[in-house]
Amino acid sequence: DAMVIQNPRYQVTQFGKPVTLSCSQTLNHNVMYWYQQKSSQAPKLLFHYYDKDFNNEADTPDNFQSRRPNTSFCFLDIRSPGLGDAAMYLCATSYLETQYFGPGTRLLVL
Amino acid sequence: AQKITQTQPGMFVQEKEAVTLDCTYDTSDPSYGLFWYKQPSSGEMIFLIYQGSYDQQNATEGRYSLNFQKARKSANLVISASQLGDSAMYFCAMSPKSQGSNYKLTFGKGTLLTVNP
Repeated sequence: DAMVIQNPRYQVTQFGKPVTLSCSQTLNHNVMYWYQQKSSQAPKLLFHYYDKDFNNEADTPDNFQSRRPNTSFCFLDIRSPGLGDAAMYLCATSYLETQYFGPGTRLLVL
Repeated sequence: AQKITQTQPGMFVQEKEAVTLDCTYDTSDPSYGLFWYKQPSSGEMIFLIYQGSYDQQNATEGRYSLNFQKARKSANLVISASQLGDSAMYFCAMSPKSQGSNYKLTFGKGTLLTVNP
């Protein structure tokens, strides 16, 4: 059974049109992470939540926001997607050291 | 600051043979964790194996083992008896333990493994 679920798996949006990616987990982990991974690159951490405590990486653009309404769900909002935001977006959760990833959402910006 | 170096952009191995993927790291944290993840073409990051910096023995998980040499700051992944399904990108990563529960991962650039029949 899937433990970290991401919807949708593929998302197409238009330049400048807001888009929301979702992540849910059945592990009851207190930490959730959002990564951006561009083609042929390593994942790059955007931000993470420790419970409801939001932690933004210093170089994450203001265009990216996140919400965590409860333990199970976390959302990534891209307010005005640019062509450079096309990437795989990975959600992960952890309780201790090990992070468990979802299948990712591939975002295409037209 | 932490840094992970994977010097092999691509590796080839024959099916049923063993392969070693290299990883070296640099950190000033006294306590840290080392990880290997597999990423098939579908995109999902699959956790393979974990090694704590103070663990006395090298970690093993089925066909995966981590050759941890602390003095050399290396954490190589050994895959025994390679299978066609092992073809994927492999990432080495580390996180400090001093942050408590917020274990932020630093990834290497990855090694693309191809298993030939």
